[in-house]
Amino acid sequence: DAGVIQSPRHEVTEMGQEVTLRCKPISGHNSLFWYRQTMMRGLELLIYFNNNVPIDDSGMPEDRFSAKMPNASFSTLKIQPSEPRDSAVYFCASSLGAGFYGYTFGSGTRLTVV
Amino acid sequence: QKEVEQDPGPLSVPEGAIVSLNCTYSNSAFQYFMWYRQYSRKGPELLMYTYSSGNKEDGRFTAQVDKSSKYISLFIRDSQPSDSATYLCAPRWTNAGGTSYGKLTFGQGTILTVHP
Repeated sequence: DAGVIQSPRHEVTEMGQEVTLRCKPISGHNSLFWYRQTMMRGLELLIYFNNNVPIDDSGMPEDRFSAKMPNASFSTLKIQPSEPRDSAVYFCASSLGAGFYGYTFGSGTRLTVV
Repeated sequence: QKEVEQDPGPLSVPEGAIVSLNCTYSNSAFQYFMWYRQYSRKGPELLMYTYSSGNKEDGRFTAQVDKSSKYISLFIRDSQPSDSATYLCAPRWTNAGGTSYGKLTFGQGTILTVHP
């Protein structure tokens, strides 16, 4: 199994630009989570999908952030427009079921907004 | 006050030492307690989890929960350089009465270095 695949691994962009992060969950997993990790705030849940439907987006910081899951094998997290304070490592994770017993994380996308 | 508090360290120990990593939490609704390990430039990986109070052992690792004091511990025996990583505690609510999914609340993580 290839695990959870995220792309790109690194992204450097200028303030104001649109950024799209991509995630391919483990085949057969029906729950997907987007997390953000910073030194100051640690790991924060942004949004949770179950069977491609957003269930909890209360962690999405503001309207500049949006996430989609058009099918079971692909999800995107978009930031438009990006700001320097969005600089962080963004992780995607997936699980079978509702993730009650943990989930598998990808290797993350390191985003730098200058 | 954060729901989960964890000393970020860093913690540096010699190979073979017993390591104690700890978290405190404030939400008494937490029933499941997970530990994740995160190597540099990688995503967190689930190490082990326990339910309610008590101990759970897995090889060199022992997880301990004291719900009365809201205190979580992870012990590593005979520590190895390959154990060098960041360790994150992550409690969650019980299935019933809490969220409808396994929403985890992560601690800040403790950076551990085991030197040869």
